[in-house]
Amino acid sequence: KQEVTQIPAALSVPEGENLVLNCSFTDSAIYNLQWFRQDPGKGLTSLLLIQSSQREQTSGRLNASLDKSSGRSTLYIAASQPGDSATYLCAVRWTGGFKTIFGAGTRLFVKA
Amino acid sequence: AAGVIQSPRHLIKEKRETATLKCYPIPRHDTVYWYQQGPGQDPQFLISFYEKMQSDKGSIPDRFSAQQFSDYHSELNMSSLELGDSALYFCASLGYANTGELFFGEGSRLTVL
Repeated sequence: KQEVTQIPAALSVPEGENLVLNCSFTDSAIYNLQWFRQDPGKGLTSLLLIQSSQREQTSGRLNASLDKSSGRSTLYIAASQPGDSATYLCAVRWTGGFKTIFGAGTRLFVKA
Repeated sequence: AAGVIQSPRHLIKEKRETATLKCYPIPRHDTVYWYQQGPGQDPQFLISFYEKMQSDKGSIPDRFSAQQFSDYHSELNMSSLELGDSALYFCASLGYANTGELFFGEGSRLTVL
């Protein structure tokens, strides 16, 4: 069964700290992996998309890596800010289909 | 840039009523996904359409149906509503010829009383 798991479920850090969010998935035959941010009661904002042939993607203070063989992706956030407080979700699409499955997310709180 | 448009943004229905949600994908995007997100839960994949045909199916209840029209907009029809159907319903669009990046709408919040 294709599943996506995110740890930790919640994380609280002081402002300025670098942090890593983890996403793991079963079945390494993925098509792509996408990281999203969601504020409470709001929509999903795409942060980074990694194709199966890529190892990492960067956007500003965000860096996402992908290791298909181990079934893992990490989202690195540098110099965290209170405005980064949100839920971060990873979503995986596997080859051979359109279905894209989300992990349960990591709720991040950055303290000023 | 044009984004994914969902309507209505908020909807209140009684149990056993019917509701219809609409999704207008980004122009030239030919693939639409529907997700359901209950309170405190991650988005659950319901169904997807590519070029007006169902392309994949997830945990969509039999009481729900969806279709994609010739202009690529999609509608999610929900009948015999139950309290547990109260959730945020998201639509996402995908340009098949592009990178595969999903773009989400702001969601439609359905409350069933």
